[in-house]
Amino acid sequence: QKEVEQNSGPLSVPEGAIASLNCTYSDRGSQSFFWYRQYSGKSPELIMFIYSNGDKEDGRFTAQLNKASQYVSLLIRDSQPSDSATYLCAVKATSGTYKYIFGTGTRLKVLA
Amino acid sequence: GAGVSQSPRYKVTKRGQDVALRCDPISGHVSLYWYRQALGQGPEFLTYFNYEAQQDKSGLPNDRFSAERPEGSISTLTIQRTEQRDSAMYRCASSHLSGDVEQFFGPGTRLTVL
Repeated sequence: QKEVEQNSGPLSVPEGAIASLNCTYSDRGSQSFFWYRQYSGKSPELIMFIYSNGDKEDGRFTAQLNKASQYVSLLIRDSQPSDSATYLCAVKATSGTYKYIFGTGTRLKVLA
Repeated sequence: GAGVSQSPRYKVTKRGQDVALRCDPISGHVSLYWYRQALGQGPEFLTYFNYEAQQDKSGLPNDRFSAERPEGSISTLTIQRTEQRDSAMYRCASSHLSGDVEQFFGPGTRLTVL
């Protein structure tokens, strides 16, 4: 079992729709959870982070965390063609380490 | 201000040669990470520095890989006796403080081992 799992996609959604990206992790002691966006040929850039169970909203983005189910998701409302990219889920391992574990990423395509 | 820079951007080498990849983090950033990213995969953690101290090298694949950050700023990742399986994008990231949330990634060095 991979430590951080994501569906590789592509996930195709029409412009204006909600895109839902999912991630599961295996280390129950994980503390911090991150979503990065990576455009083709570019470097990852941080979109959101979440530490506590529940939802965290930032503009069109909402991160959701359920530690009991070891599940974290990212919702993108009013999806735009410019949101088309690979979305990487990252988990910071248990306390006392600085190691970040990334999933393989989900490729999102927003269709105009 | 300037972001994280890496050099060279592209490196082609023959199997068995040593390579040195350089990372220049954002000025004043304490934390520095090295990752390796294969095509279609997420970044794979290699090592972490806090100032000049290498606090975690658990991700280095084997003893051919080493990294240093002698003055707490520029870092070098060295791969000795390169093998074809070492071919990948090597990315450096820095963050302002230890344990800071946001890592800023550099453009990466694309290493190709022939």
